[in-house]
Order: sequence, then C-alpha cells, then structure tokens
Amino acid sequence: GAVVSQHPSWVICKSGTSVKIECRSLDFQATTMFWYRQFPKQSLMLMATSNEGSKATYEQGVEKDKFLINHASLTLSTLTVTSAHPEDSSFYICSASSQGASVTQYFGPGTRLLVL
Amino acid sequence: QKEVEQDPGPLSVPEGAIVSLNCTYSNSAFQYFMWYRQYSRKGPELLMYTYSSGNKEDGRFTAQVDKSSKYISLFIRDSQPSDSATYLCAMSEGGGNKLTFGTGTQLKVEL
Repeated sequence: GAVVSQHPSWVICKSGTSVKIECRSLDFQATTMFWYRQFPKQSLMLMATSNEGSKATYEQGVEKDKFLINHASLTLSTLTVTSAHPEDSSFYICSASSQGASVTQYFGPGTRLLVL
Repeated sequence: QKEVEQDPGPLSVPEGAIVSLNCTYSNSAFQYFMWYRQYSRKGPELLMYTYSSGNKEDGRFTAQVDKSSKYISLFIRDSQPSDSATYLCAMSEGGGNKLTFGTGTQLKVEL
C-alpha cells in the first residue's frame, strides 16, 4: 500500500516552454501533497505544500508564479514549471500524506527535468 | 548552521558489517524522526520512524533517538550490497508539519 506515482519520469524541454508534472496517490487519499526538488548529491528541498482544494503554501524563495501547483483531488496534484530555464533543471519529487495529523510521507519516484 | 546535519560520506563497508548512520539537529521542537533510503535516481523510501526518544527495531534496522543530545542514529546489521544507497534522516515538529531533511549519507556495501 501507500504507492505514489509521478509522470513523466523524465522530460527534456526547450528554454521558455512550460512543463507539467503529475503526482498521484494510487491506493490512498492524499489530503496533503508536498513538492520537493533535489540537486545532485544534495538533500531534498521543500518547495511547497498543497492541501486538496486549497492554494499551495510556498517555501521562502520559491516563486509561486513560476511553479504552479494544483491539488484538485485527493489523488492528484500537479506541478507546472512555467517558462522553464536551464537553472530549473533538477529532480522533482512529490510526496503524499493521508491525513493532516500523519507524519508519514510517501514519496513518488521523481521526475528528472532537463531544460536545454 | 543547518537545522539538520548529516555526514554525506561516502561510507564504504564490507558485506556483513554493522553500519552506523547519524544525524544531529538544532531544533528542540522536532518530535518525529524518520529515516529514508534513496537509490540513485529514485524517490526516497521510508525505512523507519520514531516518536520522541527511544529505540525502534525492524529486522536488520534499529533507529535510536536521543533528544537530550539532539542526536539520532540508524544501525544496519549484517549489511548487504543491496543496502547500498543514500540514507536520509528527516524530522518533523508534529503531525502534518513539513519534514526537514539531512543531506543524506551515501553508503556502499562491498562484497
């Protein structure tokens, strides 16, 4: 149980284009989803927290107009990187938590983004 | 100073060795402590979590938390090559709160 999927697993795009990444909880309802980015040999940095039906809460330094997050249902959250630039190239990972009081986050397999 | 400090390694041990992985932290409000394993180019996988101080054992893995010293450990007994991965500690102040991660320790178990 507690499986989280991400799509696509990797994507290459041209600078200036937008990329959408999907995060799905397959066997549980995720009231809260988190989006992280991870640079090589570095830890996970939280970008934003989203609760179903609410606006996402962004961490300091993360541009909300550039990284659009939608959590429209209890099983799906999307991250859209708008007007992507090479510095946005990274490993993006989502996680999901089943209840507000839960401390356990289940992570997706990640999406590797390369912006040319 | 980072909230969570973790030696990045790499740590190389022979098969069958006991591995000790550690993290220190500065935020005394942390109450939940987790260890994740991350294989290359994959998402983290939850190994263990503990609440407050104490020990927890699951198979070959033992997690220890010493809140008075702000120090947590993960021990792996009878290490296997398949244990080769990056191990991330993570902490939270409470349910529903965000996780703060260490940088991860890269472990290699050699035949």
